[in-house]
Amino acid sequence: QQQVKQSPQSLIVQKGGISIINCAYENTAFDYFPWYQQFPGKGPALLIAIRPDVSEKKEGRFTISFNKSAKQFSLHIMDSQPGDSATYFCAASNQGAQKLVFGQGTRLTINP
Amino acid sequence: DSGVTQTPKHLITATGQRVTLRCSPRSGDLSVYWYQQSLDQGLQFLIQYYNGEERAKGNILERFSAQQFPDLHSELNLSSLELGDSALYFCASSVGSLAGREGYTFGSGTRLTVV
Repeated sequence: QQQVKQSPQSLIVQKGGISIINCAYENTAFDYFPWYQQFPGKGPALLIAIRPDVSEKKEGRFTISFNKSAKQFSLHIMDSQPGDSATYFCAASNQGAQKLVFGQGTRLTINP
Repeated sequence: DSGVTQTPKHLITATGQRVTLRCSPRSGDLSVYWYQQSLDQGLQFLIQYYNGEERAKGNILERFSAQQFPDLHSELNLSSLELGDSALYFCASSVGSLAGREGYTFGSGTRLTVV
């Protein structure tokens, strides 16, 4: 129940296209859903996060869509750029939890 | 620079040996989290310390141990190393003890290679 399942494992998108990464969870107590971006040789960095009281959150070209009934959330990257090439992790946590539970990661490649 | 400092960046050691990884949290952060990242396992939570006390434990092997010192830096000790321990080890920090409220700031990691 503590798992977060992320798909796809890898994704190739053309420059200017939309990148979509999906995550699903089982634990209905989860109420904090961040996305992390990791470049080679670096640690993951917080990109954007959402709480279940909203269905969508947008920051620049990055949007999280949240479907509480389906227990799914996704990251959309609009107008994808080569600089967006990185590994993306979704994560989840619940109030009172000491740790984040991470998905397996998606390696995103944006072709120029 | 995230403000979380990990040393060393790279470590190569032989099986059966013991190593210590060090982490200095971001200024003002009281919590330190250790994660192991391998190709097939993603980011696996090992252990969390808050202001010197162990607060949460994940899939940490008995051969591994950690502590957080009064100056809030933390050390992860890995002993009787096996080839399968080769991985990236990340430290992260946060102000409070509840990750669900604020997320983490990660360091750049220590790449451990066991040969």
